Order: sequence, then structure tokens, then C-alpha cells
Amino acid sequence: GENVEQHPSTLSVQEGDSAVIKCTYSDSASNYFPWYKQELGKRPQLIIDIRSNVGEKKDQRIAVTLNKTAKHFSLHITETQPEDSAVYFCAAYNNNDMRFGAGTRLTVKP
Amino acid sequence: GAVVSQHPSWVICKSGTSVKIECRSLDFQATTMFWYRQFPKQSLMLMATSNEGSKATYEQGVEKDKFLINHASLTLSTLTVTSAHPEDSSFYICSAPDSRGTNEKLFFGSGTQLSVL
Repeated sequence: GENVEQHPSTLSVQEGDSAVIKCTYSDSASNYFPWYKQELGKRPQLIIDIRSNVGEKKDQRIAVTLNKTAKHFSLHITETQPEDSAVYFCAAYNNNDMRFGAGTRLTVKP
Repeated sequence: GAVVSQHPSWVICKSGTSVKIECRSLDFQATTMFWYRQFPKQSLMLMATSNEGSKATYEQGVEKDKFLINHASLTLSTLTVTSAHPEDSSFYICSAPDSRGTNEKLFFGSGTQLSVL
């Protein structure tokens, strides 16, 4: 089955700096890669996603890149703000099966 | 977007009792419901996938008789933790793809924090 690895597990940045979180996946058939933001005790919220036929997608301060050949994808957050502090999960989807990475706890220091 | 309503949001129970968690899709038909468990500071671990009208598919290591899943209608899926023990204390969360779309985007319930004394 699919195996998703996510790094780093924790990330601390200064407000205004950029943050990058990386994920790799094992199943080359996976074709959809969402990123979720989860605050403590709350449901994950989809923040951006990318399909396998696209290499990059951007939404304001958030961007995701996908390298299908290398089977890795990354989340980029620019101009980070304290409210970006949360746990971020990547995921890989194939055929009605969604697998999550272990999560990255992002702390943005004011 | 689609809405998945999950109840209860938190529950405290005595060891040995059973707890039922409900997830309802409010504005779409959820033919599939994923059930996840999340321990503190850990990721979402898939427990099982339920499909309306058929038996759930459980992940390896998840006890079918302990975590009973029912998906009797297109808008309701339930997870019952039977004979709960302290080690079952966790955050349980459901999610469903909106069948009206491409079926990949998941909509999550608000989660249930279970504490077994």
C-alpha cells in the first residue's frame, strides 16, 4: 500500500520567513496530493491540493510543488504569520484510499 | 463545501462500556466514509473504510469486533467502540469524499475526543 513520509516533524520560523515541508510517497499510481492544516482538537482543513498532471500550484502565500518522477511534493508558505502555527499534514490519494504523512508542527514566532 | 457532522464532540466513559460515534453528511451523499484515529501529537491513522450497504474494510491491526462500523444509509455512518479500555482513548475523526465531485477531496467531521477511565 501507499506510504507517505513527511519532514520535518517540527519546524520553527520567525514571522515573515518562509516555511517548507516535504513529503515523499511510494505508490506511483497516487494522483492527488492534498495538504491539510490542523489546529489542536479540531478537524483538518484543506489548504491546498495538487493533481498528478500539474507540477506547481499557488494560492496567495501558499504553494505546492510536485515531482512525479521523484515521488515527492512540498508545501511552501511565504511571509509566515503567527496564525500559520498549526500541524500540517500531507496526503497521497489513489483509488479511494487516502494516506497521511506523520505531520509537521509549525511554529511561527512573532 | 460539503459538511460532515460528527457527534459527540467529546465523551468520557467507564472502562468496559461501549461508545457510539455518528457521522452524518448534511448536504451530500457519502457512499464512502473513512474513519481515522489520532493519538496526541501523531498523524491521522486510517482505521477502516465503510461503504454504504456493505461491510467495512478494516486496516491491518484494527479489531473488527471492537470497532464496529455501520454505514446503513448514504448520509450516516457510525463507529461503535465496544468494551472500551483506557488505551482506546483517542481522537476519532471521520471523513467522506463528496460523491458529487471527483471523489478525492475529503470533508472531515469535527472529531470525537474519547476518554476512557
